[in-house]
Amino acid sequence: EAQVTQNPRYLITVTGKKLTVTCSQNMNHEYMSWYRQDPGLGLRQIYYSMNVEVTDKGDVPEGYKVSRKEKRNFPLILESPSPNQTSLYFCATSYEGRTDTQYFGPGTRLTVL
Amino acid sequence: GEDVEQSLFLSVREGDSSVINCTYTDSSSTYLYWYKQEPGAGLQLLTYIFSNMDMKQDQRLTVLLNKKDKHLSLRIADTQTGDSAIYFCAVGFSGGYNKLIFGAGTRLAVHP
Repeated sequence: EAQVTQNPRYLITVTGKKLTVTCSQNMNHEYMSWYRQDPGLGLRQIYYSMNVEVTDKGDVPEGYKVSRKEKRNFPLILESPSPNQTSLYFCATSYEGRTDTQYFGPGTRLTVL
Repeated sequence: GEDVEQSLFLSVREGDSSVINCTYTDSSSTYLYWYKQEPGAGLQLLTYIFSNMDMKQDQRLTVLLNKKDKHLSLRIADTQTGDSAIYFCAVGFSGGYNKLIFGAGTRLAVHP
């Protein structure tokens, strides 16, 4: 079964405490990306990766880092979280970057106090 | 950059048709999508339309595209309470590794 998993699904943390949200897919997709969803703003892309060791900034990359050491995993790293990073985060994957085959993970709700 | 706009809220009676509208700015968009997000869940791709099409029908869903006006709509026939969700319009572009540009989402409330 095609799957995109994210962990954790829910996280409450405090300002400045480093955290990592993991994303894993079993479809051998080259392309993976992270979005954040905020009320009234829809989803905005944070970072994307076209393949292993190839990453690039999306529209809202400030305060985030990513890495792509393996094809199946694309973790999102917040080195020093701040309250304005409280949001719902989605990982997405697709075959060759095609948006008509894009799969979304279940989401991670992050609260930074 | 690309801008995608939707009205934020729509309320309909069960059994009626729902029409959710979306406008976008970039005429070079290639694919136009509708996603559904139920409470506490991720995004589910409902349907999509290529930019060279005017209409696509899939069971209770009808997508209409007016390229001249850059207007996309999703019609849900015989709306049910299970259709209550947030519906996102998104546009994608050909020619490489695509990101989707999303609208803010329309919350559809279906009442008896």
